[in-house]
Amino acid sequence: QQPVQSPQAVILREGEDAVINCSSSKALYSVHWYRQKHGEAPVFLMILLKGGEQKGHEKISASFNEKKQQSSLYLTASQLSYSGTYFCGTEAGAGGGADGLTFGKGTHLIIQP
Amino acid sequence: KAGVTQTPRYLIKTRGQQVTLSCSPISGHRSVSWYQQTPGQGLQFLFEYFSETQRNKGNFPGRFSGRQFSNSRSEMNVSTLELGDSALYLCASSLPLAGGEQFFGPGTRLTVL
Repeated sequence: QQPVQSPQAVILREGEDAVINCSSSKALYSVHWYRQKHGEAPVFLMILLKGGEQKGHEKISASFNEKKQQSSLYLTASQLSYSGTYFCGTEAGAGGGADGLTFGKGTHLIIQP
Repeated sequence: KAGVTQTPRYLIKTRGQQVTLSCSPISGHRSVSWYQQTPGQGLQFLFEYFSETQRNKGNFPGRFSGRQFSNSRSEMNVSTLELGDSALYLCASSLPLAGGEQFFGPGTRLTVL
């Protein structure tokens, strides 16, 4: 089942903060976050694994609540370059990559100067 | 390190035709996943290959097939094209590890007329 992302869209002024949420009904092994700009491929931002391990960009922070199967992506002091659509992709079960990622519908983020 | 490459970048076909898309993963990555992206359905998992074997397949009809070669390059084939197959087809490569980040190629934009 597809994870649910919220909000669907958000408009910020440069320098403001945003939180994007991702919720799944399945027991998750990992949550992956990507950003996609119009006409471009999704770009990897971060992975959060069951057990607490995280891998990703230094300027991006996120959390993974294993009990609630929820993840949040925190964008602080937003810059114009942060604009785009943010997707969470979830990996259920034991991981390993074989099942592919199940993506949410995305959160559209617009940063205004 | 060169990224994931996909060819061709754009394709226009007519209903009933078939099409083959190609993906070359990042050097050293042996897992290749394919996704379909449409405005209505978002990013949907098609299938994943590792060591020339399809490990899993998403919920797509049998008209969608793929294969992987010994050098990890992968091809995806769609037969008897339908209008609804118009989409951006993305491939992503990764190390076949639990929680391995997936790196996406630029995609092939397929238009079916």
